[in-house]
Amino acid sequence: EPEVTQTPSHQVTQMGQEVILRCVPISNHLYFYWYRQILGQKVEFLVSFYNNEISEKSEIFDDQFSVERPDGSNFTLKIRSTKLEDSAMYFCASSQQSATNEKLFFGSGTQLSVL
Amino acid sequence: QKEVEQDPGPLSVPEGAIVSLNCTYSNSAFQYFMWYRQYSRKGPELLMYTYSSGNKEDGRFTAQVDKSSKYISLFIRDSQPSDSATYLCAMRGNNRLAFGKGNQVVVIP
Repeated sequence: EPEVTQTPSHQVTQMGQEVILRCVPISNHLYFYWYRQILGQKVEFLVSFYNNEISEKSEIFDDQFSVERPDGSNFTLKIRSTKLEDSAMYFCASSQQSATNEKLFFGSGTQLSVL
Repeated sequence: QKEVEQDPGPLSVPEGAIVSLNCTYSNSAFQYFMWYRQYSRKGPELLMYTYSSGNKEDGRFTAQVDKSSKYISLFIRDSQPSDSATYLCAMRGNNRLAFGKGNQVVVIP
C-alpha cells in the first residue's frame, strides 16, 4: 500500500541552527501538508501546499518556516533558526485533492529536538 | 471554548470490553469527522470517516456523529490488545484538520 515517508525519523539540532525535514508524499497526490505535535499537545496544522505554492498556513507558520517541492517527489519543511519551542514531532501528509471530503494520509513523523 | 475537545485521560479496559471515546466541538463549519489511530512513534492512521449525523460501522468499529449536539463518538467492540493506541478525533470544514488531544487506550489481555 502506498505511504508517505519522512526522513529523518529523529533530528537533533542546536538552537539557532537551520533544519530541513523531508517528506515523500504518495505519488499521485497533489496536496501536501505539514502538521506538528508538541509532546502532550494536539496535532496542529502548519501549512498546506499545492501547485508549488502555499495554499493556507496557520499562525504558527511564521517567517522562520518555509516549504518547498524541489523536485517531483520530495516535499520539505525548513526551519531557518530553530528555537527550543520548535521541539516537536513533525508530520507530513498528502491527499489527492483538497476538497474537504478528501482523506489525508500521514507519514510516521520526524521527531525534532532543539537543544 | 476550544475548537475540539477530547478528554485525554488514559483508558484501560479488559480484552473483550467495549471502548467508548468521544469529542465535542464548537465550530459549526465542521462537516467531516474522522477518527485516527496513532501507535507509539507513528503518524496518525485514518480509522473512520463520516459526514452526516448517524452511525457508521466498519467491523468492530462504530463512529457516531450528532451534529445538533456537536458531539462525535467512537465505539470499539470486542476490544483486542492490538487496539492499544492513542485515538484522535479530527474534524474538517476547510483546508485544515482540527484535532482533539487524543485518548490513550490500553486493552489488557
